[in-house]
Amino acid sequence: KAGVTQTPRYLIKTRGQQVTLSCSPISGHRSVSWYQQTPGQGLQFLFEYFSETQRNKGNFPGRFSGRQFSNSRSEMNVSTLELGDSALYLCASSLGTSGTQQFFGPGTRLTVL
Amino acid sequence: KNEVEQSPQNLTAQEGEFITINCSYSVGISALHWLQQHPGGGIVSLFMLSSGKKKHGRLIATINIQEKHSSLHITASHPRDSAVYICAVFLRTSGGGADGLTFGKGTHLIIQP
Repeated sequence: KAGVTQTPRYLIKTRGQQVTLSCSPISGHRSVSWYQQTPGQGLQFLFEYFSETQRNKGNFPGRFSGRQFSNSRSEMNVSTLELGDSALYLCASSLGTSGTQQFFGPGTRLTVL
Repeated sequence: KNEVEQSPQNLTAQEGEFITINCSYSVGISALHWLQQHPGGGIVSLFMLSSGKKKHGRLIATINIQEKHSSLHITASHPRDSAVYICAVFLRTSGGGADGLTFGKGTHLIIQP
């Protein structure tokens, strides 16, 4: 089975722009979670989608949003980028929700200039 | 106060040594993950535990729910084990489910040949 894939792997944007990141889960997995990793804050939970519905959301501003499609692929969007949004964005897929084992993608490294 | 505390933060050991990394958490959880992250960012899920002990190759993970504590052990350590090891928990919600993962700060492990 192919693993979790994320595109693009690297991205450079400028302040004020918006960005869309994509995640394709492992075949058969219906849950996709998104995480942000920065040197200062470490890994933090952004949100989780299951069967096209957002189930949980972390403590991030409304500029961070996401969605999930009927094939379980997920996108996350960050609008009005700030320097502090520079981070590694990871998605993880799992069969179910509410605490099932998660499998991580390679991440998208976003740099905001 | 971080809800997930790991120790030690940094660990350097010689090849062949027995390694222990500890994780303590302060609230009720539904499950605990041990993750491995190599330079470059990719995260691998090593174990997911809700009770007892699991073993995979040279890796052993234990959890004591009453004491809110988990340990990751590496036997016969090897330089390729050098990585960041991260403890992450699914916090139990009031509805009995789980939010996204809450992460410890990680343990930077270096195994010298």
